[in-house]
Amino acid sequence: EVQLVESGGGLVQPGRSLRLSCAASGFTFDDYAMHWVRQAPGKGLEWVSGISWNSGSIGYADSVKGRFTISRDNAKNSLYLQMNSLRAEDTALYYCAKVRFGRDYGDADFDYWGQGTLVTVSS
Amino acid sequence: SYELTQPPSVSVSPGQTASITCSGDKLGDKYACWYQQKPGQSPVLVIYQDSKRPSGIPERFSGSNSGNTATLTISGTQAMDEADYYCQAWDSSLYVFGTGTKVTVL
Repeated sequence: EVQLVESGGGLVQPGRSLRLSCAASGFTFDDYAMHWVRQAPGKGLEWVSGISWNSGSIGYADSVKGRFTISRDNAKNSLYLQMNSLRAEDTALYYCAKVRFGRDYGDADFDYWGQGTLVTVSS
Repeated sequence: SYELTQPPSVSVSPGQTASITCSGDKLGDKYACWYQQKPGQSPVLVIYQDSKRPSGIPERFSGSNSGNTATLTISGTQAMDEADYYCQAWDSSLYVFGTGTKVTVL
């Protein structure tokens, strides 16, 4: 059974940093690209960042480019999101998502999602 | 930046057909997919590559994509289909979600 378990969320002051983690199990982690998607309270889905199987291709939404860094450790079956210079508008539930097919960063859909970890940016 | 626009809400009676549209420039030239999200739950993929259903998704869910519009159709809508639905596509190396549609089964 595929499982994605996010952790690392919490309350943080504006301008500070936070690192999210996603522990994957139930599939061959390095056979798939992985992504982060967020959802602000009461709002829609927003793609944040994605990474290919070997970290060779990475993409970011314009809203987080230069502040967030995605990474993965295939030996630990884990995905990460380092979030720096956090802003109030980064407040959201952050989901880890697996692509349905493919190792590369490219046209894809997401067939498994974690339960999310809540990040609240407030003073 | 690329945008995908959906109607905020769609209402449907039990047993009837619900159609949810997703509009974007030349969307028909791209693959569209659809997610269902129920309150307090994570999104679930219900349609991928315009019209394909993942394993376990009921046959009453179908999709199409042509021109500037992708459409998710729920035939014989059931109360359990009440949820938010989001389309998604890939454009200029970025992933774009639609604005979301709340489907209410009256």
